[in-house]
Amino acid sequence: DQQVKQNSPSLSVQEGRISILNCDYTNSMFDYFLWYKKYPAEGPTFLISISSIKDKNEDGRFTVFLNKSAKHLSLHIVPSQPGDSAVYFCAASADTGRRALTFGSGTRLQVQP
Amino acid sequence: EAQVTQNPRYLITVTGKKLTVTCSQNMNHEYMSWYRQDPGLGLRQIYYSMNVEVTDKGDVPEGYKVSRKEKRNFPLILESPSPNQTSLYFCASTPEGGKSFLDEQFFGPGTRLTVL
Repeated sequence: DQQVKQNSPSLSVQEGRISILNCDYTNSMFDYFLWYKKYPAEGPTFLISISSIKDKNEDGRFTVFLNKSAKHLSLHIVPSQPGDSAVYFCAASADTGRRALTFGSGTRLQVQP
Repeated sequence: EAQVTQNPRYLITVTGKKLTVTCSQNMNHEYMSWYRQDPGLGLRQIYYSMNVEVTDKGDVPEGYKVSRKEKRNFPLILESPSPNQTSLYFCASTPEGGKSFLDEQFFGPGTRLTVL
């Protein structure tokens, strides 16, 4: 059973509009969440993170929101740019020992010019 | 330039033929791990190493071995590959520290393995 779920395999938005990518989790032990961006033939690259003690973290055009009661987080990209077209993975961590991340299955974002 | 390198990037092999995928990092990171990515499942951790000579199983270790004889290298060994190990493999390295050090986790470019 997947502990981190990204229920939308793909998303298409117009350039300049907002992109909202969603992620749900089931494990209440997760206390740190990250978003990664992945281009074809490359490894995932870190985008933004949030600790469970916060409900929002912002970095330029990227904002991550965490709703612990709903076990839901979302990534907002405003404004979206064609270069944002990639696969986005949500990931969560429950402990520091293993440095293990539990990943969602990814959402492919396409930003149309 | 800080990076994690993997070799080979692409490999097609046959069932039972032993193979090794190499991983090397130049950031002096203590922690390294291997993930596999499969459609609809995201990335899953295979093995990890907290430092030289310290390795342990991740979520999907069956059929894999690792070693950590030097800090910079963390090879993934498939002693007898099977078709269900056809996947995209990523090596990652992370510095020591608390949760926020996860932000500094670097992933390699991936190795696409096909086992016939």
